[in-house]
Amino acid sequence: AQSVTQLGSHVSVSEGALVLLRCNYSSSVPPYLFWYVQYPNQGLQLLLKYTSAATLVKGINGFEAEFKKSETSFHLTKPSAHMSDAAEYFCAVSARYNQGGKLIFGQGTELSVKP
Amino acid sequence: NAGVTQTPKFQVLKTGQSMTLQCAQDMNHEYMSWYRQDPGMGLRLIHYSVGAGITDQGEVPNGYNVSRSTTEDFPLRLLSAAPSQTSVYFCASSYRRATEAFFGQGTRLTVV
Repeated sequence: AQSVTQLGSHVSVSEGALVLLRCNYSSSVPPYLFWYVQYPNQGLQLLLKYTSAATLVKGINGFEAEFKKSETSFHLTKPSAHMSDAAEYFCAVSARYNQGGKLIFGQGTELSVKP
Repeated sequence: NAGVTQTPKFQVLKTGQSMTLQCAQDMNHEYMSWYRQDPGMGLRLIHYSVGAGITDQGEVPNGYNVSRSTTEDFPLRLLSAAPSQTSVYFCASSYRRATEAFFGQGTRLTVV
């Protein structure tokens, strides 16, 4: 069975500070991993994905994430937060050999950015 | 291209009423799925489909029906709405297995 745990339902940073959103996964098969962002009253937009190529994955809006198999983690980072980064972020996993494109989501982390 | 289109965007139902949430995609994606989003619980899979005529249950299928008669459309039916079905519903589609999913804008449903 697969699962995703996002540590911290709310994270608050100052503008210009480092953003670190934590995600740990559990999977019995090699996983694909994703980070999605949701702005208020919007759908989900893909930030980045890991599909077994490079372990350091760069995404849109300056975000990146590193796949660490030994730690079963896929934390999301951004060196300098911007006010426009305020949103909810979801980590998700799918099994590489799973049909249907089914995603298992974490509970989400709401990011607030203070001026 | 419109991507994934969901209608309606908002809906209020009375307990026991039925309705259908519509989802259409114009990307010729094989896979389509329905999720519900509840505070603190992330998104949970309701039903999914790997192609026309093929559907299967996800994590929380009770109270919902689906069918997939065409590649483009994947409606979600609530036969007898309950307050526990108050949620935001998202439809998603993807081109092949285990690649990223593309999401619609969501339907906010309130059951009173």
